[in-house]
Amino acid sequence: DAGVIQSPRHEVTEMGQEVTLRCKPISGHNSLFWYRQTMMRGLELLIYFNNNVPIDDSGMPEDRFSAKMPNASFSTLKIQPSEPRDSAVYFCASTSVPRSPLHFGNGTRLTVT
Amino acid sequence: GESVGLHLPTLSVQEGDNSIINCAYSNSASDYFIWYKQESGKGPQFIIDIRSNMDKRQGQRVTVLLNKTVKHLSLQIAATQPGDSAVYFCAENIQGGSEKLVFGKGTKLTVNP
Repeated sequence: DAGVIQSPRHEVTEMGQEVTLRCKPISGHNSLFWYRQTMMRGLELLIYFNNNVPIDDSGMPEDRFSAKMPNASFSTLKIQPSEPRDSAVYFCASTSVPRSPLHFGNGTRLTVT
Repeated sequence: GESVGLHLPTLSVQEGDNSIINCAYSNSASDYFIWYKQESGKGPQFIIDIRSNMDKRQGQRVTVLLNKTVKHLSLQIAATQPGDSAVYFCAENIQGGSEKLVFGKGTKLTVNP
């Protein structure tokens, strides 16, 4: 089992640029979560999907953030335009059973200058 | 604000000693709790979980205790090893709610040889 795969591992971009983060959940997992981690705010849930449908996006900071899950094996988190305050580590996680442990990827470290 | 909080950001122990990491939660409706371990540059890794119908659960070298009366959760690590050095997070899920996990800010455990 390859686990949750995220790409890229590191992303450095300039303010105003579009950023796209990618995630491949564990095969057979039907729930997918996007979290953001910062020193100040810790791990925050941005959005989660169940069977490719967004269920709760209340954590998405603002309209600059969007997430999609076109199929069961792929999801993207897009920031457009990016701002320095978006700098953080973004994690994707998946699970197959509701209210059970999430399996996390190793994250994408985003730096916006 | 967050309903799960860790008030001790760092904990330092000697190799071979037992470690206790504490977590306070404020939402009495939470009924599922998870402990995660996060090593530098990696995503959170599941350690152990507990549901509110239990007050203790044991794993390999780890024990989670749940005190619903005072809304307190603890993780005990027996015979702490250098490989246990990491940041530890507790997370909670609210009964009847979504699959959303709310994370505490974490405690950094350092094991001294």
